[in-house]
Amino acid sequence: EPEVTQTPSHQVTQMGQEVILRCVPISNHLYFYWYRQILGQKVEFLVSFYNNEISEKSEIFDDQFSVERPDGSNFTLKIRSTKLEDSAMYFCASRRQDLGELFFGEGSRLTVL
Amino acid sequence: AQKITQTQPGMFVQEKEAVTLDCTYDTSDPSYGLFWYKQPSSGEMIFLIYQGSYDQQNATEGRYSLNFQKARKSANLVISASQLGDSAMYFCAMREGREGSNYKLTFGKGTLLTVNP
Repeated sequence: EPEVTQTPSHQVTQMGQEVILRCVPISNHLYFYWYRQILGQKVEFLVSFYNNEISEKSEIFDDQFSVERPDGSNFTLKIRSTKLEDSAMYFCASRRQDLGELFFGEGSRLTVL
Repeated sequence: AQKITQTQPGMFVQEKEAVTLDCTYDTSDPSYGLFWYKQPSSGEMIFLIYQGSYDQQNATEGRYSLNFQKARKSANLVISASQLGDSAMYFCAMREGREGSNYKLTFGKGTLLTVNP
């Protein structure tokens, strides 16, 4: 069964460093998302991406964050200068246009020291 | 106001029994959808079941069923014949807007289900 894959599964970084989280959405999906879950808290929407541009972003998604789809298969989330409070599990998700079901990847756990 | 409310931070159930996890929602959009996801301790988000606001029948997927009461704005998840592997965090989530449109999911705070042998 096709699935959303994310790398790395866990990354530890120093505060102020740049981090890139990678995702390969399901191949025939058109909408792509990043969500974040701080440990013990609920899952929060960060950004949605459609037709090679951001379609919506939350207030969490400030200038330190960016997304791109560089090669038609990968979908990346970049955090330019990480802060301690960026420590969280980051989930990539994708869906087809006609179905409501959102498929999540297994998440990338980011730890900022 | 919270868009998704899960009032049970934790629930316990005996193996092989049924359990209901509560979810109430708040929206003024006539078109919306409700999702349930399972998050085991390993962290991944596993889709369980979906109910659209215009669906006439309650959704079912194997041992999972969604008790959709539109007038009460509730979408409770029922797990029948609980198994030890069902122990996990369960999240209710809602999308607002047409199904084909771009949308985001709003999640509840989750319910931690523990299945006892």
